[in-house]
Amino acid sequence: SQTIHQWPATLVQPVGSPLSLECTVEGTSNPNLYWYRQAAGRGLQLLFYSVGIGQISSEVPQNLSASRPQDRQFILSSKKLLLSDSGFYLCAWSVQPAYEQYFGPGTRLTVT
Amino acid sequence: TQLLEQSPQFLSIQEGENLTVYCNSSSVFSSLQWYRQEPGEGPVLLVTVVTGGEVKKLKRLTFQFGDARKDSSLHITAAQPGDTGLYLCAGFLSGAGSYQLTFGKGTKLSVIP
Repeated sequence: SQTIHQWPATLVQPVGSPLSLECTVEGTSNPNLYWYRQAAGRGLQLLFYSVGIGQISSEVPQNLSASRPQDRQFILSSKKLLLSDSGFYLCAWSVQPAYEQYFGPGTRLTVT
Repeated sequence: TQLLEQSPQFLSIQEGENLTVYCNSSSVFSSLQWYRQEPGEGPVLLVTVVTGGEVKKLKRLTFQFGDARKDSSLHITAAQPGDTGLYLCAGFLSGAGSYQLTFGKGTKLSVIP
């Protein structure tokens, strides 16, 4: 069966510090991978998605970036965090159909 | 512009009551998903509906996709405290290179014992 991992689970970082969140998927090959952000326990905003190694599509201009160095690894990064980057970050995967997405446990990021 | 509107935003009911939450859009979706999310966790996929008028049942939960594929509803019979959570609908717009879901803001359900 497929599993998805995210770490860290929680993170408190000062403004201006760098960020690296990691997501890995097990039990499937060549998945589509997604990064979402959820503010205040409400709707999800798609940040990035990837259909293959090195292929990243950005949905929202911001100071965040994403990379996919391996087939089942997706990384969310920032060089300098802003207060507005605080939120709950969720990684998800899908194969076919692409609309059935399965989410990881999330990372709670607080920028102070 | 919010493509998917969910209502109500908040719902607090007593255990044993029935409830319906709605997901509406002016757009036609090729499929619609319902998720449930508990605090501090990722959303869990409950169901996918793809055909206009389709009805799916998952124990005490009944999901319906509108005939025009613009709206959906979730009905819970005899709600239990374990049903408490944030219910999110998400629509998929098919097309070349389309991979993203559009999420509503959710309905936060509290079932009081």
